[in-house]
Amino acid sequence: EAGVAQSPRYKIIEKRQSVAFWCNPISGHATLYWYQQILGQGPKLLIQFQNNGVVDDSQLPKDRFSAERLKGVDSTLKIQPAKLEDSAVYLCASSPRPGVNQPQHFGDGTRLSIL
Amino acid sequence: EDKVVQSPLSLVVHEGDTVTLNCSYEVTNFRSLLWYKQEKKAPTFLFMLTSSGIEKKSGRLSSILDKKELSSILNITATQTGDSAIYLCALPYSNSGYALNFGKGTSLLVTP
Repeated sequence: EAGVAQSPRYKIIEKRQSVAFWCNPISGHATLYWYQQILGQGPKLLIQFQNNGVVDDSQLPKDRFSAERLKGVDSTLKIQPAKLEDSAVYLCASSPRPGVNQPQHFGDGTRLSIL
Repeated sequence: EDKVVQSPLSLVVHEGDTVTLNCSYEVTNFRSLLWYKQEKKAPTFLFMLTSSGIEKKSGRLSSILDKKELSSILNITATQTGDSAIYLCALPYSNSGYALNFGKGTSLLVTP
């Protein structure tokens, strides 16, 4: 089965610019997660979707970050305006069935550098 | 507040050595503990430990959950250079579906 697809792989922007990342989960996976991984840290949850609804966005900096999963399949994460501290790898993950304890499958991530 | 602490943060060993990585946790609602391996790209799933499955083994890797001590260990025997990676421990947040709370990871370097 195809894995979680993310694009772009790398992005370099200047601070105060905007940027968007795209994620296509494994086919049929109902739950989708976005994580932020700063160098030297473990991934940190930004937002969790179940189908096209938000389950948890308590750690999403909503003044600058937004995310959507309109048709319950692929998802976009946007940052506007970007700050230096947003330099990180943005990981997307998915899991098959909602409400069931099961491993998440991760994409390769988008590495974002802010100049 | 849920916490996940991994130790050591980094480790250098020679090929053939055996290593033990540690993960301790504090959660109000334990459901599972997961280990992932991260090389340059995506974290890849290794093991999931639960109250009904406290030991897992796959080849040279094995993991044990100690619910009394609120900890888990990941053992790698006869290490190879291909085992060089960051090993991440994670638990589902107590109050948030099954989104994962990760530790900082242990960076393992296996030298020839």
